[in-house]
Amino acid sequence: QVQLQQSGPGLVKPSQTLSLTCAISGDSVSSNSAAWNWIRQSPSRGLEWLGRTYYRSKWYNDYAVSVKSRITINPDTSKNQFSLQLKSVTPEDTAVYYCAAGSAGYMDVWGKGTTVTVSS
Amino acid sequence: QSVLTQPPSASGTPGQRVTISCSGSSSNIGSDYVHWYQHLPGTAPKLHIYRNNQRPSGVPDRFSGSKSGTSASLAISGLRAEDEADYYCAAWDDSLSGWVFGGGTKLTVL
Repeated sequence: QVQLQQSGPGLVKPSQTLSLTCAISGDSVSSNSAAWNWIRQSPSRGLEWLGRTYYRSKWYNDYAVSVKSRITINPDTSKNQFSLQLKSVTPEDTAVYYCAAGSAGYMDVWGKGTTVTVSS
Repeated sequence: QSVLTQPPSASGTPGQRVTISCSGSSSNIGSDYVHWYQHLPGTAPKLHIYRNNQRPSGVPDRFSGSKSGTSASLAISGLRAEDEADYYCAAWDDSLSGWVFGGGTKLTVL
């Protein structure tokens, strides 16, 4: 059974980089069938998909248009985890951030969520 | 503004049947599966319906899903107090090359 464990700071200053990590157990980040996603939830935006990384003989990434210029999602095969980096954050990036995964074309396993506040 | 359109709220009394709609377009619901998530405050969203009408193990059969064209719906029969939550529809969007969600529907059990 796949489980995801999130970690990272809950407070980030404006203009800095938000960094979160999602550790995987029960599967491999290099799985040829899984996709590893980041989603956020805020009262103003509801659920918003940010992007994903996945391996199909080589690594691929897809990013939401709204954050494409600021986001990087990277796999870490040595630690079996994947990470989110969001640059140049503003208070609008304040949200609960979730990592989520699925191996059958939908996201059926979610991390518990990390509340991130952007404030000086 | 969300790509998929849901009513912001729905309500019903215990035992009733309620339906939540989700409207999209040919690039998302019209060409791919719809999935539904239940979201309770302070917890992670939980998959309740996948591939339009399939229930994960552990989800009561009071929950059902359907899809027609570019719209989908989630039905909950025999409404219970524990069903009070936010419900989100989701689909892959081929034009955006990403997942899109509805704005969420807050279900209140009166």
